[in-house]
Amino acid sequence: GAVVSQHPSWVICKSGTSVKIECRSLDFQATTMFWYRQFPKQSLMLMATSNEGSKATYEQGVEKDKFLINHASLTLSTLTVTSAHPEDSSFYICSATARQGVRTDTQYFGPGTRLTVL
Amino acid sequence: KQEVTQIPAALSVPEGENLVLNCSFTDSAIYNLQWFRQDPGKGLTSLLLIQSSQREQTSGRLNASLDKSSGRSTLYIAASQPGDSATYLCAGDNNAGNMLTFGGGTRLMVKP
Repeated sequence: GAVVSQHPSWVICKSGTSVKIECRSLDFQATTMFWYRQFPKQSLMLMATSNEGSKATYEQGVEKDKFLINHASLTLSTLTVTSAHPEDSSFYICSATARQGVRTDTQYFGPGTRLTVL
Repeated sequence: KQEVTQIPAALSVPEGENLVLNCSFTDSAIYNLQWFRQDPGKGLTSLLLIQSSQREQTSGRLNASLDKSSGRSTLYIAASQPGDSATYLCAGDNNAGNMLTFGGGTRLMVKP
């Protein structure tokens, strides 16, 4: 149990286009979903925290108008990178905490999405 | 604000060695402390989770300890194998299921 999926696993896009990344909790309902970004050879940095039905909370330095987060249901959160530029190229990882059924005191991580902006 | 540091940043050892990876954090009000493994280009695999009331956890050849008073956690890997080569990340939260603060990771290479 406690599986989190991400789609797509990798994406290449042209500069100026928008890219949507999905994060799904497959076998549990997620109280909260988190979005992290990881640049090459660096650690994960939290971008934003989202709760179902409410606006995401963004970390300092993360542009909310550029990284749109929609948490429409208890099992799905999406991250849209708008007007992507090469500096947005990164590994994006989501995680989720469960309401019940599995451990509720830890985050379950998705496999990540590799974004390359040309 | 919690800050997590991992030392060393990189480590290369011959197969069979026992090794220790270090993680330090600035805020002793840490709740959970987790150790993850990340293979190149891949997501995270949770290795060990030490809850607030615990001081250590063991899984196979891995043992992790947590000392809140000194702000340290260690990951002990016994009888290292080439398959253990990966980046090891520690992360802590200040409340159950809350946002995690990650260390910079230790890139481990175990040579046959």
